[in-house]
Amino acid sequence: GQNIDQPTEMTATEGAIVQINCTYQTSGFNGLFWYQQHAGEAPTFLSYNVLDGLEEKGRFSSFLSRSKGYSYLLLKELQMKDSASYLCAVRDPGGSYIPTFGRGTSLIVHP
Amino acid sequence: DAGVIQSPRHEVTEMGQEVTLRCKPISGHDYLFWYRQTMMRGLELLIYFNNNVPIDDSGMPEDRFSAKMPNASFSTLKIQPSEPRDSAVYFCASSPHLTSGGQQETQYFGPGTRLLVL
Repeated sequence: GQNIDQPTEMTATEGAIVQINCTYQTSGFNGLFWYQQHAGEAPTFLSYNVLDGLEEKGRFSSFLSRSKGYSYLLLKELQMKDSASYLCAVRDPGGSYIPTFGRGTSLIVHP
Repeated sequence: DAGVIQSPRHEVTEMGQEVTLRCKPISGHDYLFWYRQTMMRGLELLIYFNNNVPIDDSGMPEDRFSAKMPNASFSTLKIQPSEPRDSAVYFCASSPHLTSGGQQETQYFGPGTRLLVL
């Protein structure tokens, strides 16, 4: 089976940096996704990590440590529009490569 | 491309009624997924298709739920009879491939159908 844990909610200030953690326990591993979901909207793809290390994409970066079963999403220079839910999803070859989603972290950015 | 299209966007029905949700995947995508999202359980996979064939329906909660994909451009998720606990947002997603590695295997989600069963 798979177990994916994320904090339920986080708050941060506009202009600041926030790190959203995701830990996972899976029988196998073939990649970790981060999705952003604004209230009332569909999840949209943010990042993908399959090797250890940091992937940077503008204000957003995602880190992966396979040995620790750990990832984080780093958001810099926070903007109000970054208020959303952030979903971590892990792909397990034993699960036919279908990503399993965590329950998401609701990020609230305040002025 | 218009992206994944779902209809209706909102559905309010009474307990016991049949509900049919519809999805048009992105053209050329081989995989189609149906998900259900609730506050309590998050995003759960219900069923997925590969080239119109159902591959894994182990996430379908009960026999009241059924899904079909008669062709590459259309899928339905039916609930009959509906119950209040079925109230949720139902997402359809499609993906070009599911092989190992590669950003192109990301899933593209439709806008969802918000279902309320009274």
